[in-house]
Amino acid sequence: DAKTTQPNSMESNEEEPVHLPCNHSTISGTDYIHWYRQLPSQGPEYVIHGLTSNVNNRMASLAIAEDRKSSTLILHRATLRDAAVYYCMTNNNDMRFGAGTRLTVKP
Amino acid sequence: DAMVIQNPRYQVTQFGKPVTLSCSQTLNHNVMYWYQQKSSQAPKLLFHYYDKDFNNEADTPDNFQSRRPNTSFCFLDIRSPGLGDAAMYLCATSSGTSGLYEQYFGPGTRLTVT
Repeated sequence: DAKTTQPNSMESNEEEPVHLPCNHSTISGTDYIHWYRQLPSQGPEYVIHGLTSNVNNRMASLAIAEDRKSSTLILHRATLRDAAVYYCMTNNNDMRFGAGTRLTVKP
Repeated sequence: DAMVIQNPRYQVTQFGKPVTLSCSQTLNHNVMYWYQQKSSQAPKLLFHYYDKDFNNEADTPDNFQSRRPNTSFCFLDIRSPGLGDAAMYLCATSSGTSGLYEQYFGPGTRLTVT
């Protein structure tokens, strides 16, 4: 599986959009890009995943670069409940977590 | 609601005393995973089952074993816990192992070794 690189931490203001970047320059053609988040004292929670095209769901949007070497998770309006560690992973077979980005949301 | 259940949520064991953590799922998923998460670190995959096929990560210590008696249940056995095994243990399930499928996680069992 490809290794991912994310910023250690990011800050956002409440009700503003948040763009969380992830680099996965060694991704293979069949690897999906997955995002999970982990709220304090909870297990990780699935957010979104995609292969080539941009994806939207009720939680977030996933923008995938044309060369697939990077992606961005977009939270359209951050709330205090979105404060969590966000993990980007590429997966073709097994799921291995990278270090993640700790998102702080300020009121 | 379909879910992944881990029992107990908190487990205390003594150094060297075998301990078993359990996971059950109502999702009828083929794949069950065990992860170890130490404080301020990302979850680390220990092993997974695809149906009854066991897949061990190369760097998972022999001290960690797993059993999956049926589709719904999976157990993590730590044969001789050391202080370094204190961690959160997470169980997850998935319909398949390809990247097409997302994982569903349980709340975790926090293991303390005294």
